[in-house]
Amino acid sequence: EAGVVQSPRYKIIEKKQPVAFWCNPISGHNTLYWYLQNLGQGPELLIRYENEEAVDDSQLPKDRFSAERLKGVDSTLKIQPAELGDSAVYLCASSLDYPGQGSTGELFFGEGSRLTVL
Amino acid sequence: KNQVEQSPQSLIILEGKNCTLQCNYTVSPFSNLRWYKQDTGRGPVSLTIMTFSENTKSNGRYTATLDADTKQSSLHITASQLSDSASYICVGPPGFQKLVFGTGTRLLVSP
Repeated sequence: EAGVVQSPRYKIIEKKQPVAFWCNPISGHNTLYWYLQNLGQGPELLIRYENEEAVDDSQLPKDRFSAERLKGVDSTLKIQPAELGDSAVYLCASSLDYPGQGSTGELFFGEGSRLTVL
Repeated sequence: KNQVEQSPQSLIILEGKNCTLQCNYTVSPFSNLRWYKQDTGRGPVSLTIMTFSENTKSNGRYTATLDADTKQSSLHITASQLSDSASYICVGPPGFQKLVFGTGTRLLVSP
């Protein structure tokens, strides 16, 4: 079975340009996450979806970042306009359900989209 | 504030040697803690999960321990191989908040 698929793997853009990342989660996984990972750091949550609903977007910089998950499957993350500080790896992950009390859900990550803003 | 702290930040060992990575958590309430391995340029992959009732769990050359009293977990790698070179990330459960990721330990196994 295919894992989480992300594209593009690499993207180089100039500052102030827009960029979009796409994620296809594992079939049947209700929960989808977008994480940002800076070099040498752990992933930081940007947004979490339960099916189509964004249930946690408190860390998403909404002035320039937007995300959507149409039909509760694929998701896109957009940055417009990009800034130099947005250079990072953007990881998409999915899980059957949300890890919490009574659930030991494993997150399955894609290989990430590495963004370089010049 | 729920936190997960890992040590050391980085580690270099010779191939064939053993090593132990540490994870201290303050996540409450606690249900489980998971270790992920992240190869360079790849996404994290789960190695093992420790629940409240487990003290030790092995997965091949990887052995994880959990001490709920001291709120510490460790990941022991036996007879290291070059392919063990990666970042190892400890992740606490969300409790009533977000999943809490540690900053990871970067391990380099040298030939």
